[in-house]
Amino acid sequence: EVQVVESGGGLVQPGGSLRLSCITSGFTFTNYWMTWVRQAPGKGLEWVANIKEDGNEKYYVGSVKGRFTISRDNAKNSVYLQMNSLRAEDTAFYYCARGNDYGPDFDHWGQGTLVTVSS
Amino acid sequence: QSVLPQAPSASGTPGQRVTVSCSGNSSNIGSNYVYWYQQLPGAAPKLIIYRSNQRPSGVPDRFSGSQSGTSASLAISGLRSEDEADYYCASWDDRSFAVVFGGGTKLTVL
Repeated sequence: EVQVVESGGGLVQPGGSLRLSCITSGFTFTNYWMTWVRQAPGKGLEWVANIKEDGNEKYYVGSVKGRFTISRDNAKNSVYLQMNSLRAEDTAFYYCARGNDYGPDFDHWGQGTLVTVSS
Repeated sequence: QSVLPQAPSASGTPGQRVTVSCSGNSSNIGSNYVYWYQQLPGAAPKLIIYRSNQRPSGVPDRFSGSQSGTSASLAISGLRSEDEADYYCASWDDRSFAVVFGGGTKLTVL
């Protein structure tokens, strides 16, 4: 059974940093892209970033470029999102999902982890 | 304003057929596949249509997708109460090198 589990969310002050983790199991991790999608409370979905199977190709939404970094550890079947210079508008549930390519073909999702940026 | 505008709401009665639409441009829907997600209240999104008109295993054939030019649609036939959810379209954008989502349509089953 495919499992995707996020962790690392919490309350952080504006300008602070947070690192989200996503641990997966039940599939061959190195065969899939991985992605982060966020959803502000009561709002729609916003794609954040994705990373290729070997980690050598990454894409980001414009609003997080230069502040967020996606990475993966294929030995640990895990993907990460390092978030720096956090802003109030980054407050959201952050979902990790498995992707079949660089596009929005996300066939398995985690339950999300909440990031709150507030003083 | 979402990159892929969707009507904020739609409704239907049980048994009816409803359509949710999504519009884009030549750099996204006009040149890439469209994907549809269903998000039930309090749950993570679920892929229900991939590559514009394909259903993952386990998704009822009441759900169907279509794409024409720079627009796409999700049709739900034989509407059921459990279909009440938010529905999002998504595509890749060749200009911004990014995944873009629609703003979402909240479907109410009356």
